[in-house]
Amino acid sequence: EAQVTQNPRYLITVTGKKLTVTCSQNMNHEYMSWYRQDPGLGLRQIYYSMNVEVTDKGDVPEGYKVSRKEKRNFPLILESPSPNQTSLYFCASKSGDRYLTGANVLTFGAGSRLTVL
Amino acid sequence: DAKTTQPTSMDCAEGRAANLPCNHSTISGNEYVYWYRQIHSQGPQYIIHGLKNNETNEMASLIITEDRKSSTLILPHATLRDTAVYYCIVRLPIGTGTASKLTFGTGTRLQVTL
Repeated sequence: EAQVTQNPRYLITVTGKKLTVTCSQNMNHEYMSWYRQDPGLGLRQIYYSMNVEVTDKGDVPEGYKVSRKEKRNFPLILESPSPNQTSLYFCASKSGDRYLTGANVLTFGAGSRLTVL
Repeated sequence: DAKTTQPTSMDCAEGRAANLPCNHSTISGNEYVYWYRQIHSQGPQYIIHGLKNNETNEMASLIITEDRKSSTLILPHATLRDTAVYYCIVRLPIGTGTASKLTFGTGTRLQVTL
């Protein structure tokens, strides 16, 4: 089944303890992205990657790192988590279109709910 | 990317058509309209997209006005499982050199009731 898999789905941690949220897709998609969702603020993009070894900041990158060493994986790293990073996180992927097309269809993971105490 | 305006919430009786409006008065000529939905903190799910013509798929219909300044997502026979937040997004197609980012606003919370 074509899917985006995130782990862990739920995590409670403490301030300053480094953590990684993994994201893996099995659709050979070039583009991957991380979003966070907070009440009243909608979905906000953290980082995205157009392809292997290519990453760029989204709207709210502070406090996060990413890497894209393989096409299928795009981990989100919180080097020193703080309580304001308590949120619901989504990873998403889509194919990289090289042609003018409206197909901008993202496939999302099930989400990772992170609590930083 | 053009900004969109959606009502905060709507109700719909089960079995009836749900019509969700979206205003995008600043849309440019080559920007597409996309609709996604999010069911209770699950990952958002793609529904449909269009440029100028009305579109229909197995999930919904998309009606875009002739001036393209607004659109309506139609769920023809809403069920309880359609209760979700619906997002209307406008952006350029791929290949224009812009970042492949979809900007999600706060959407419309659709409540389908018995």
